[in-house]
Amino acid sequence: GAVVSQHPSRVICKSGTSVKIECRSLDFQATTMFWYRQFPKQSLMLMATSNEGSKATYEQGVEKDKFLINHASLTLSTLTVTSAHPEDSSFYICSADTGAREQYFGPGTRLTVT
Amino acid sequence: SQQGEEDPQALSIQEGENATMNCSYKTSINNLQWYRQNSGRGLVHLILIRSNEREKHSGRLRVTLDTSKKSSSLLITASRAADTASYFCATETNDYKLSFGAGTTVTVRA
Repeated sequence: GAVVSQHPSRVICKSGTSVKIECRSLDFQATTMFWYRQFPKQSLMLMATSNEGSKATYEQGVEKDKFLINHASLTLSTLTVTSAHPEDSSFYICSADTGAREQYFGPGTRLTVT
Repeated sequence: SQQGEEDPQALSIQEGENATMNCSYKTSINNLQWYRQNSGRGLVHLILIRSNEREKHSGRLRVTLDTSKKSSSLLITASRAADTASYFCATETNDYKLSFGAGTTVTVRA
């Protein structure tokens, strides 16, 4: 149980375009989902906390207008990278909280902006 | 913000040997968790130790926590090639967010 999926697993896009990444909890409802970013050989950095039906809470230094988060249902949160640039290339990982303060992580999405 | 610092950054051992890595943190925590990440993949939860616990075991894993020193260690006994991965500690604070350490890359040589 407690499986989290992400789609797509890899995406390549051109500079200036927008990319949407989906995070789904497959077998449980997640009132809270988290979005992380990981650069090569580095740690995970929390970008934002997403609560179902409310606005996401962004960490300091993360541009909310660039990284749009929508948590429309208890099983789906989306991260849209708007007007992507090469420096946005990274590994994006989501996690979903079961409600018991246990986070289950998705497999990640590799974004490459050319 | 990143709270944990891990040591060493990289570790190379022979199959069958033990691997030990350490994590230090700065603020009070609810719990500390260890995760494994294979190259380019997601995170796998290994073990959680609460702030009032000192030691915990799970299979070949042993985790200690010293809240007075704000540090934790992860020991992998009898390592296998499949243990090759990056290992991260993560601390949970009162806002229920996880703050990850920089990670230790472990290579187990056959």
